[in-house]
Amino acid sequence: DAGVTQSPTHLIKTRGQQVTLRCSPKSGHDTVSWYQQALGQGPQFIFQYYEEEERQRGNFPDRFSGHQFPNYSSELNVNALLLGDSALYLCASSLPTPQETQYFGPGTRLLVL
Amino acid sequence: AQSVTQLDSQVPVFEEAPVELRCNYSSSVSVYLFWYVQYPNQGLQLLLKYLSGSTLVKGINGFEAEFNKSQTSFHLRKPSVHISDTAEYFCAVSDHAGGTSYGKLTFGQGTILTVHP
Repeated sequence: DAGVTQSPTHLIKTRGQQVTLRCSPKSGHDTVSWYQQALGQGPQFIFQYYEEEERQRGNFPDRFSGHQFPNYSSELNVNALLLGDSALYLCASSLPTPQETQYFGPGTRLLVL
Repeated sequence: AQSVTQLDSQVPVFEEAPVELRCNYSSSVSVYLFWYVQYPNQGLQLLLKYLSGSTLVKGINGFEAEFNKSQTSFHLRKPSVHISDTAEYFCAVSDHAGGTSYGKLTFGQGTILTVHP
């Protein structure tokens, strides 16, 4: 079992650009959540996808959007990048009920210059 | 809305000593509670979780935590730490208030545990 995988591992962008991050869930999981972890902070919930739809969203602007594919993999898109978007972006997969453990990937470290 | 406060940002301790990492939460509804560990340049790994039942929860690597509803706390303990326990530890909650509860995790700021030889 490969666990949760994310790509790329690192990314450097400039302000105003757009970025797409990818996540493949753990085998058997159909729910994907995305978190942003700024340096020295705890992860913050961005949104969650289930059955190819966003079903819960955190306090993030519309510049942050996502998608889930029929094979349950997911993408996170960020438009009009700001310096403050520099962070570690974590993907977590699980089964769809709140008591289920969320398994995290290693993350994508995004640096915006 | 929930919030989580980890009372210590850094905890230094010597090898084989006991350790307690403190976590308090605030929520208007019932919650599930989690402790995760993050090693440098890695994602988060679940140590243990409290869903219901016994308030003392045992996890991996010899860690345990106790849920105290009256004090809204979920402190993490280990009786004897090892060098390999050096990492950052996060307390998290998710509510289970019904139809709109999907397991969103709210994390604390993290506690860096440093184990010295």
